[in-house]
Amino acid sequence: GNSVTQMEGPVTLSEEAFLTINCTYTATGYPSLFWYVQYPGEGLQLLLKATKADDKGSNKGFEATYRKETTSFHLEKGSVQVSDSAVYFCALKPGDAGGTSYGKLTFGQGTILTVHP
Amino acid sequence: DGGITQSPKYLFRKEGQNVTLSCEQNLNHDAMYWYRQDPGQGLRLIYYSQIVNDFQKGDIAEGYSVSREKKESFPLTVTSAQKNPTAFYLCASSPLLDWAYNEQFFGPGTRLTVL
Repeated sequence: GNSVTQMEGPVTLSEEAFLTINCTYTATGYPSLFWYVQYPGEGLQLLLKATKADDKGSNKGFEATYRKETTSFHLEKGSVQVSDSAVYFCALKPGDAGGTSYGKLTFGQGTILTVHP
Repeated sequence: DGGITQSPKYLFRKEGQNVTLSCEQNLNHDAMYWYRQDPGQGLRLIYYSQIVNDFQKGDIAEGYSVSREKKESFPLTVTSAQKNPTAFYLCASSPLLDWAYNEQFFGPGTRLTVL
């Protein structure tokens, strides 16, 4: 079946530090990959996505590259801010048509990021 | 503004009671989803619906029920059969066109606590 594994948190950084949150996946075919962010007490917001191998998603200074050879989609940001403190979820949507996987997202367990001034 | 609304934001229930969580969207999306979130775990799919009057069980449907009588509405009922209902519940929607590539849009969530 499909699965997503994220690096365990929590991750604690100082402001302006470099961020990497690892994400690897298991899926058949060619899934689409997503990073979502959740601020305290809120729902999830899409941060970025990539729909095919070697695509790079980017938004608000965050980037992630779809690496099919290593089945990875690691999230990076060059200089984090206090306002980036949140929970980050990696997720995949299978590329196979129909069946019970139709449109469903599979999530990793989430990584808590705390950024200190 | 287009989006997804969930109500109430906080809900308290006594053991043995059924409660219904509301989810409404004005994005004209065909597909809607309910997820449960527990601390330290990812989101787990409860039910999903691709069209009106049709829905399918997700990974943890036991103790829950849904209906889809209107395209914009997908209420979730947490029944007394659900053994551990205290959690954060998230509703989501997405278009079916290019379904393999489109993201899901999430509501703000409802936090259910069983007293």
